[in-house]
Amino acid sequence: GEDVEQSLFLSVREGDSSVINCTYTDSSSTYLYWYKQEPGAGLQLLTYIFSNMDMKQDQRLTVLLNKKDKHLSLRIADTQTGDSAIYFCAESSTGGYNKLIFGAGTRLAVHP
Amino acid sequence: KAGVTQTPRYLIKTRGQQVTLSCSPISGHRSVSWYQQTPGQGLQFLFEYFSETQRNKGNFPGRFSGRQFSNSRSEMNVSTLELGDSALYLCASSLRQYNSPLHFGNGTRLTVT
Repeated sequence: GEDVEQSLFLSVREGDSSVINCTYTDSSSTYLYWYKQEPGAGLQLLTYIFSNMDMKQDQRLTVLLNKKDKHLSLRIADTQTGDSAIYFCAESSTGGYNKLIFGAGTRLAVHP
Repeated sequence: KAGVTQTPRYLIKTRGQQVTLSCSPISGHRSVSWYQQTPGQGLQFLFEYFSETQRNKGNFPGRFSGRQFSNSRSEMNVSTLELGDSALYLCASSLRQYNSPLHFGNGTRLTVT
């Protein structure tokens, strides 16, 4: 079945780079997504990558996709305290339409 | 452009009651989906609508239902509330029929006592 796994917690120092990792099971997923959730808020779409791409860069965010290993990562350069949040990886379901399968989320803590 | 709007933001209900949550999608978006978020189960898909038709339903009991109106606004209803229904209910809208990024609202926090 479809499953997405993430490590639960990451702590980094302000100014360092953060790397959040994710593995997924559905090799036919068309798109893979990263969402951010701050306390008391909904999910904010950060970025997404089409399955035929290896890398996508968007300002401080870099997404790397290794289709062979079904591994997705999100790198945040120059991490700031405002980046502290929960980050969710999601794959588009082969059930079709616009259904996403989410990981459990990685809590990123940024300390001075 | 306004984002996805969910009302109300908070709800407190008693076991056995029913509740209706509302979602207004981003203008021009015709696909609306609903997710339940709990600490134990994470984000789980409830259902998805496109042009007033439910195209996909998650693994939830029949007490959970929804609908979409001709203006793409959507409602979900939970009848005979149970304590375990306490959760953050998130609505998302998408522009296209397939493989389209989901844009989420801030959710409705439902507490069942």
